[in-house]
Amino acid sequence: DAGVTQSPTHLIKTRGQHVTLRCSPISGHKSVSWYQQVLGQGPQFIFQYYEKEERGRGNFPDRFSARQFPNYSSELNVNALLLGDSALYLCASSLGVTGTYEQYFGPGTRLTVT
Amino acid sequence: AQRVTQPEKLLSVFKGAPVELKCNYSYSGSPELFWYVQYSRQRLQLLLRHISRESIKGFTADLNKGETSFHLKKPFAQEEDSAMYYCALILTGGGNKLTFGTGTQLKVEL
Repeated sequence: DAGVTQSPTHLIKTRGQHVTLRCSPISGHKSVSWYQQVLGQGPQFIFQYYEKEERGRGNFPDRFSARQFPNYSSELNVNALLLGDSALYLCASSLGVTGTYEQYFGPGTRLTVT
Repeated sequence: AQRVTQPEKLLSVFKGAPVELKCNYSYSGSPELFWYVQYSRQRLQLLLRHISRESIKGFTADLNKGETSFHLKKPFAQEEDSAMYYCALILTGGGNKLTFGTGTQLKVEL
């Protein structure tokens, strides 16, 4: 298994545009979480999905949305991009949604908003 | 709200010297504490968690509820320990949503 995969690797967008980031979990993992990592900071939780349902949402504006598909892959959408949205977006997958289950992180998508 | 504090952005030690990466948290409940590590050009990965009470790659961490700390220690640093280390917590009943600290860059010099 290649582990958690994310696409694209890098992305450059202009303020006001929309972006979609994609994540494929490890085979058998039903939970996907999204984190935003701004330069110099630790990852910050955005969303968690399990069995296609939202299980948690971090302190992010409504411009951020996500969904999980029947094959457990996930998309993170950000509308009306701001310069402050420039960050590394990490996806993590796990078997379940309790602390017992280790989260496995993907390589991230580097988003630059100009 | 819960918070994880890692006071050192950079910690530089010589090979063979002891290492202590500090982590303090603010949360009134009983969180689960973790250390994650990111080696150069690699993904963020779990190093250890407090509930397992195990030693990974020579690192240990003890949860001190009185001081709300979860410092990461290793008696003898190795060059391959150079990496970014993040302390993180999960709240009681918080699923597995992680709250991370800002990270400490450990540099082991020869």
